[in-house]
Amino acid sequence: QVQLVQSGAEVKKPGSSVKVSCKASGGTFSRYAISWVRQAPGQGLEWMGGIIPISGTANYEQQFQGRVTITADESTSTAYMELSSLRSEDTAVYYCARAGVSGSHLGWFDSWGQGTLVIVSS
Amino acid sequence: QSVVTQPPSVSGAPGQTVTISCTGSSSNIGAGYDVHWYQQLPKTAPKLLIYANNYRPSGVPNRFSASKSGTFASLAITGLQAEDEADYYCQSYDSSLRGSVFGGGTKLTVL
Repeated sequence: QVQLVQSGAEVKKPGSSVKVSCKASGGTFSRYAISWVRQAPGQGLEWMGGIIPISGTANYEQQFQGRVTITADESTSTAYMELSSLRSEDTAVYYCARAGVSGSHLGWFDSWGQGTLVIVSS
Repeated sequence: QSVVTQPPSVSGAPGQTVTISCTGSSSNIGAGYDVHWYQQLPKTAPKLLIYANNYRPSGVPNRFSASKSGTFASLAITGLQAEDEADYYCQSYDSSLRGSVFGGGTKLTVL
């Protein structure tokens, strides 16, 4: 089973950007999509987008288009999510999650990172 | 507002059976995309509970089962235990949104 380890908590000012990392170990990285899912305090899960590292092409949820950039570095088995123009509503725990099916954005998430708390506050 | 709907809460006594519904539409569950279920214990990351409509990953007790029909899916938990108290989410793919969608989540309380 692959293990995903995320970077630590961040506190950001409104209007700034945050970049969260997700390092995979113990499994194949390149062919399995890594998605980012966020959870605002007391709220449900929200898919933001994902990338299949070997393709380098990311898919984004429409509401995040233009504000989120998901990338992956195959050499370090690390995926990144950068969210710009931060606002207070972006305060949430951000999870990375690996797809259970190779080469597809469809399907389930069988491994999850521990989550990264991002607080947006002036 | 999620495009996939779950009841906000369900409850049951130890030993009982509860079901959690997940209602979608013709662009997600009704289009034939698989439904997956996750359990999220307080302050932890979600854990895969059921994948591809009705398959359990190794280690998940057979007290958990799920089904799908049309635009509707459901998760059943039999022989409820105190440790089952958690939030449960269904997930599928939506062809209109071109991405994954989660239900709003259901909080299970074991009485």
